[in-house]
Amino acid sequence: DSGVTQTPKHLITATGQRVTLRCSPRSGDLSVYWYQQSLDQGLQFLIQYYNGEERAKGNILERFSAQQFPDLHSELNLSSLELGDSALYFCASSVVGAGGAKNEQFFGPGTRLTVL
Amino acid sequence: AQKVTQAQTEISVVEKEDVTLDCVYETRDTTYYLFWYKQPPSGELVFLIRRNSFDEQNEISGRYSWNFQKSTSSFNFTITASQVVDSAVYFCALSERGGANSKLTFGKGITLSVRP
Repeated sequence: DSGVTQTPKHLITATGQRVTLRCSPRSGDLSVYWYQQSLDQGLQFLIQYYNGEERAKGNILERFSAQQFPDLHSELNLSSLELGDSALYFCASSVVGAGGAKNEQFFGPGTRLTVL
Repeated sequence: AQKVTQAQTEISVVEKEDVTLDCVYETRDTTYYLFWYKQPPSGELVFLIRRNSFDEQNEISGRYSWNFQKSTSSFNFTITASQVVDSAVYFCALSERGGANSKLTFGKGITLSVRP
């Protein structure tokens, strides 16, 4: 158990709908990352938050947004869903000390999103 | 831009065989970090190791060993005396120095099947 929790585990929805994925980082971790894993794209970085502020953006669609709350949990919002959005969405957290990159990221169990 | 290549896509071995998983990376940074993650059939991503670019010492942890060679930009992973429980997808990942911006760039992953 990595200490990172994600809910829900599975989500089935229809095209055009909006969903929210939730992540709670490990205790003490200030940084939260979201990744998407799909068969064609592999594991791709979406976005990072550090202590409530957006820190880095990757290949995140405009239909997707995220935020990190004062209690450090994070939510990833996916709207106007398309079939191609079906994927496994991971949240990860890390301590991120000075020179942040060295700190390994611990991943949650993921949310499997199926868009029908 | 950073890139991780895992040229092997699928490897199948018989239990107790040794197996090496290859990883080649590209980066313009002089300071960077390399990681290996394991994704068993259950789907979670499990952190295995982190290696700094300025530390080329090889590392051994039980049946696992890692060979980091800066000259060839490779960070290979060897499992000695493989077991069925080692069956999983293994990802190599790279993170460049960037303060709190430490997103991971993953390779496509190698599916390892260990047959009894």
